[in-house]
Amino acid sequence: DAGVIQSPRHEVTEMGQEVTLRCKPISGHNSLFWYRQTMMRGLELLIYFNNNVPIDDSGMPEDRFSAKMPNASFSTLKIQPSEPRDSAVYFCASSKTSGKETQYFGPGTRLLVL
Amino acid sequence: GDSVTQMEGPVTLSEEAFLTINCTYTATGYPSLFWYVQYPGEGLQLLLKATKADDKGSNKGFEATYRKETTSFHLEKGSVQVSDSAVYFCALVFRGSQGNLIFGKGTKLSVKP
Repeated sequence: DAGVIQSPRHEVTEMGQEVTLRCKPISGHNSLFWYRQTMMRGLELLIYFNNNVPIDDSGMPEDRFSAKMPNASFSTLKIQPSEPRDSAVYFCASSKTSGKETQYFGPGTRLLVL
Repeated sequence: GDSVTQMEGPVTLSEEAFLTINCTYTATGYPSLFWYVQYPGEGLQLLLKATKADDKGSNKGFEATYRKETTSFHLEKGSVQVSDSAVYFCALVFRGSQGNLIFGKGTKLSVKP
């Protein structure tokens, strides 16, 4: 299996622009997670889906952030409009649906908002 | 609420030294426990896990034992290598939950030759 795939790997944009991050989970995994990692705040869970349905989005910082999972093999995280404080590494992870199952992480998208 | 507390880093060791990274948790119920490792510029990878009390997870010379009585899951390795330099995250997840991990803040390990 190719593992969790994220694109782009790096994104540089200007403040106010829309940013879309993409994730393809491992085939057969029913749960998908979006995380943000910064030096100041560490690793934060933004939102997670189970069977394509958002279960908990309490970690989404504000209305500028939105996430969708239109099917089992694709998810997007969108920031509109972007701000410099959104600069971070964004990780997607997937797992089989179960409280015991391991999460598998993608390589991350490094976002820089100027 | 449920939480994971790790020792603060950075931790700097010489090659072949003994490593301990402390991890304790606060949780209602009986979670599964994990150690993830993040090498520079990469995503997190599962290092080891334990799903019930007294279980020992092990991988690549690393070990951690699920201690219910002390609510701990300390990571140990008898002889570290330069290639072990990374950030280590302790995490828990509740059985029967939707699987969302609760992570500690991470401990950066640097191993010098």
